[in-house]
Amino acid sequence: DAKTTQPPSMDCAEGRAANLPCNHSTISGNEYVYWYRQIHSQGPQYIIHGLKNNETNEMASLIITEDRKSSTLILPHATLRDTAVYYCIVASWNTGNQFYFGTGTSLTVIP
Amino acid sequence: DAGVIQSPRHEVTEMGQEVTLRCKPISGHDYLFWYRQTMMRGLELLIYFNNNVPIDDSGMPEDRFSAKMPNASFSTLKIQPSEPRDSAVYFCASRARGVAEQYFGPGTRLTVT
Repeated sequence: DAKTTQPPSMDCAEGRAANLPCNHSTISGNEYVYWYRQIHSQGPQYIIHGLKNNETNEMASLIITEDRKSSTLILPHATLRDTAVYYCIVASWNTGNQFYFGTGTSLTVIP
Repeated sequence: DAGVIQSPRHEVTEMGQEVTLRCKPISGHDYLFWYRQTMMRGLELLIYFNNNVPIDDSGMPEDRFSAKMPNASFSTLKIQPSEPRDSAVYFCASRARGVAEQYFGPGTRLTVT
């Protein structure tokens, strides 16, 4: 039951900003946007989440459009260790347990 | 904190054998999740617990799978009997009440021959 659409793969030069898009046109008012990433052979790692305001933490920034139908995860200075599959997930707070990970975007950071 | 702990990290077994996967959530977390990841189906939620009580097991593929959480610091996922199609990486995750993020363990890679 896909609620998000992401490009299957992207490349980014090391040191440059990586901008990962996500479409979630059917998002409802009480649903948040969550981003996780999975580095090869490891468990998924939480990155950031937001409702409607832009968010920033030590790992990344999350930009959500005003209509909330899409968002962009920004890694400001990509490193080789950021090579991973990035998942965009929408879920409501009180059912935030029902995460559908989808296929994500495979980001490759190129030296 | 050591994070979510899973054991074993790798398990190889023969078809028909019983397999038990173990998980220790982060201390103080009220929710525990079991996921399965395969190339074909990606990452799927199997079951989750709140305060040791199973809340939603609709993702459990069939009766051969069962999960228990006897206390707040331990959970098991059992497959009996195992089949080759159960080969996958099984992840356990936990989260605290009132926060969004789930913290995942390193996973158990199960191979059923």
